[in-house]
Formats: sequence, C-alpha cells, structure tokens
Amino acid sequence: EAQVTQNPRYLITVTGKKLTVTCSQNMNHEYMSWYRQDPGLGLRQIYYSMNVEVTDKGDVPEGYKVSRKEKRNFPLILESPSPNQTSLYFCASRLRTGYNEQFFGPGTRLTVL
Amino acid sequence: RKEVEQDPGPFNVPEGATVAFNCTYSNSASQSFFWYRQDCRKEPKLLMSVYSSGNEDGRFTAQLNRASQYISLLIRDSKLSDSATYLCVVKGAAGNKLTFGGGTRVLVKP
Repeated sequence: EAQVTQNPRYLITVTGKKLTVTCSQNMNHEYMSWYRQDPGLGLRQIYYSMNVEVTDKGDVPEGYKVSRKEKRNFPLILESPSPNQTSLYFCASRLRTGYNEQFFGPGTRLTVL
Repeated sequence: RKEVEQDPGPFNVPEGATVAFNCTYSNSASQSFFWYRQDCRKEPKLLMSVYSSGNEDGRFTAQLNRASQYISLLIRDSKLSDSATYLCVVKGAAGNKLTFGGGTRVLVKP
C-alpha cells in the first residue's frame, strides 16, 4: 500500500530532551516536507526536500533540523525542544516539485512540558 | 494579511442542504489551487483541484475567480460524512510551495 508513515504518533517529552520524528514514504517520491499544525494558524511548512541531500527552510524552521540521506526517509529532529513546539506534525510527500497531489502521513502529536 | 484566508466556521448544515464557502488568496501570481479535506486531527487529503473554468466532482463544485482572487467550494445534497474541515491550498508562482489556509469547518447535522 502506497503510504507515508510517521513515528511516533504520540510523544510527550520535556524541555531540552532531543527527539527525532521519523518519516518514510514508499512511493519513490522526490519531494518531501514537514508541517506543523496549530489552532488558528493552519498548516505551516517547517522544512522541505526536493531530493536526496537537498533540503531547505520553510516558513517556520527555527528549532528544527532535517536530513535526507535516502529518498524514502526524511526525519525531523528537535535538538532542544521547547513548549512552543507543542503541536501536531505532518510529514508529506509528492512525486516531484511541480506535481500537485501531496500525500500526508498520519501525524505526530507532540507535547513538550 | 495572511496569504490564504478562510472563514473558520463552523458552517452548520442540515443533511441534504447545500453549503458554499470561499477562500481568498493574496498573491496574484499564484499558479494552482486545491481543496483538501481534513477529518478531525487526521491527515489532510486532496479533495479536488480547482481549474480556471470551474470543475465538478459529484456533489462538489469548485470555482476560481482570479480577478477577485478567491476560490470557492460548493457541496450539494450534504451528507453526514461530509462533516470535516476543508483546507484551501494555493501553489505559488515558483511551483514549489503549497500554502494552506486555516480551514473551514463544516458540520452536517441530521
């Protein structure tokens, strides 16, 4: 089944404790991105990657890192999480940059205490 | 001003009725437009693209008004299963970035 998977789905952590949210897609998509969704603010892009070893900042990159060592994986790293990073996070992929349909993972609900 | 703005709702709709709502965008150079559907705190999924001439997919009709910079979604014969948040999405001139509106919540009631 073609899909985007994320892990963990739920995470409660404490300020400053490094964490990684994994994202993987099995559709051989070139383009992948991370979003956070907050009430009243909609989905905001954190980082995106147009292909392996190519990443760039989105609208709200502060406090996050990403890497794209393989085409299928695009982990999101929070080196020192803070409470303002409490949010619902979605990974997404699409075939390539200009392609229209974007597929989302199921989301990761992160709480930073 | 936000790049993509939507009325958050909720739009309370009797089952079988018609509901319509708009989304405005600020960048006149925007290339493509979409409606995504998001069920409660689940992942968004593409509902339909919006074409310049307007397009229909079953009970759903989408329209684009470039002069006034808005798109619309109309749902006819609303079903209980249409209850969801509808996200307006605009692709920028560079063809890369998708910008999401905050969503319009629709509640269809028996």
